Amino acid sequence: LAKTTQPISMDSYEGQEVNITCSHNNIATNDYITWYQQFPSQGPRFIIQGYKTKVTNEVASLFIPADRKSSTLSLPRVSLSDTAVYYCLVGPNRLRAGNMLTFGGGTRLMVKP
Amino acid sequence: EAGVAQSPRYKIIEKRQSVAFWCNPISGHATLYWYQQILGQGPKLLIQFQNNGVVDDSQLPKDRFSAERLKGVDSTLKIQPAKLEDSAVYLCASSLGERGTGELFFGEGSRLTVL
Repeated sequence: LAKTTQPISMDSYEGQEVNITCSHNNIATNDYITWYQQFPSQGPRFIIQGYKTKVTNEVASLFIPADRKSSTLSLPRVSLSDTAVYYCLVGPNRLRAGNMLTFGGGTRLMVKP
Repeated sequence: EAGVAQSPRYKIIEKRQSVAFWCNPISGHATLYWYQQILGQGPKLLIQFQNNGVVDDSQLPKDRFSAERLKGVDSTLKIQPAKLEDSAVYLCASSLGERGTGELFFGEGSRLTVL
């Protein structure tokens, strides 16, 4: 499975847009990019998934360039409640037996008032 | 829809004692995972089940950890004997597997402290 690299931590202020970039140089043709959010004392929660170009949902946007070697999670107008750890994962979207999703260290986002 | 249920939420034991964690996945989810998350690190996969069969347990310390998923639904993870370095949160996750979109649904985790 493709290895991912993310910044260890980021700081932002309420109301700002936050962009977290993930590098995945060895992404395979059938791999998707998925982002999870984890609050303290909770399990990770799915945010968004994409394969190429741009995906948007009610929470975030995901930008994926043509070469797919990186991706950017964009959180518009963050609030204090967006303070969490964000994980970028790369793998097939049809989890057949044996497909493992590996979490890296994630990016710790701190939103300040 | 009920989420992934785990128990107990917290457990404190002394080293060399044993402990067991229970997980009930979302109904209909064929795939079940156990992850270990040490403070400050990302979750590390320990074992993956597809229905009631083990798909991958390559990262499970088999000398002290065991897991089973009877009848392809609930699962238990056991540690015997526990070591200090086993202090972590044990997360259970489930997914639809091939019929799904790759999304993992996690429980709130079981926090283990080994003294």
